[in-house]
Amino acid sequence: GQQLNQSPQSMFIQEGEDVSMNCTSSSIFNTWLWYKQDPGEGPVLLIALYKAGELTSNGRLTAQFGITRKDSFLNISASIPSDVGIYFCAAGGKLIFGQGTELSVKP
Amino acid sequence: NAGVTQTPKFRILKIGQSMTLQCTQDMNHNYMYWYRQDPGMGLKLIYYSVGAGITDKGEVPNGYNVSRSTTEDFPLRLELAAPSQTSVYFCASGLRTALRDTEAFFGQGTRLTVV
Repeated sequence: GQQLNQSPQSMFIQEGEDVSMNCTSSSIFNTWLWYKQDPGEGPVLLIALYKAGELTSNGRLTAQFGITRKDSFLNISASIPSDVGIYFCAAGGKLIFGQGTELSVKP
Repeated sequence: NAGVTQTPKFRILKIGQSMTLQCTQDMNHNYMYWYRQDPGMGLKLIYYSVGAGITDKGEVPNGYNVSRSTTEDFPLRLELAAPSQTSVYFCASGLRTALRDTEAFFGQGTRLTVV
């Protein structure tokens, strides 16, 4: 079946650093989504991408829809402690999820 | 706007008991989903629905049943609870159109423990 491979699995960074994570698949998708999950909460939508090559920003977050439609990237600039959490990519009408990237930020 | 509402928030079940996890949305979304999330893991799709009266299996449907009699409600039924079903369950809904896949919005989750 369809699968999203998300990397890295975890990141430990210093406050102020930039962060990059990505998702790849062997399948083509029309939409890529990025979510953040805080402990004990449901995932919250951060960015939605609808067009191959599209680059979309939401504050310090920037995401790109890969030109092949098989991948997507999320960048967080100048990280702050409240960026801590698990970030997921998701795609497709069945809305399958990547395995998540756990982000830890050291003040 | 309530969004996606899940009840109960917490539940402890004994092995072999049955229960229904409730999910309702007030956004007139056509797509609804049920996921389970085990500790430290990602979200696994149990079932989803593309509209009232239509449901389909996800990655891990065994041990669960769903129905979608209305646009708003998408209950998840556990018939014979097993310890392996101890998990956090999330319901989500989204609007899919001919031009766009869904941007799904999630409920707060139901934390289920089977003992």
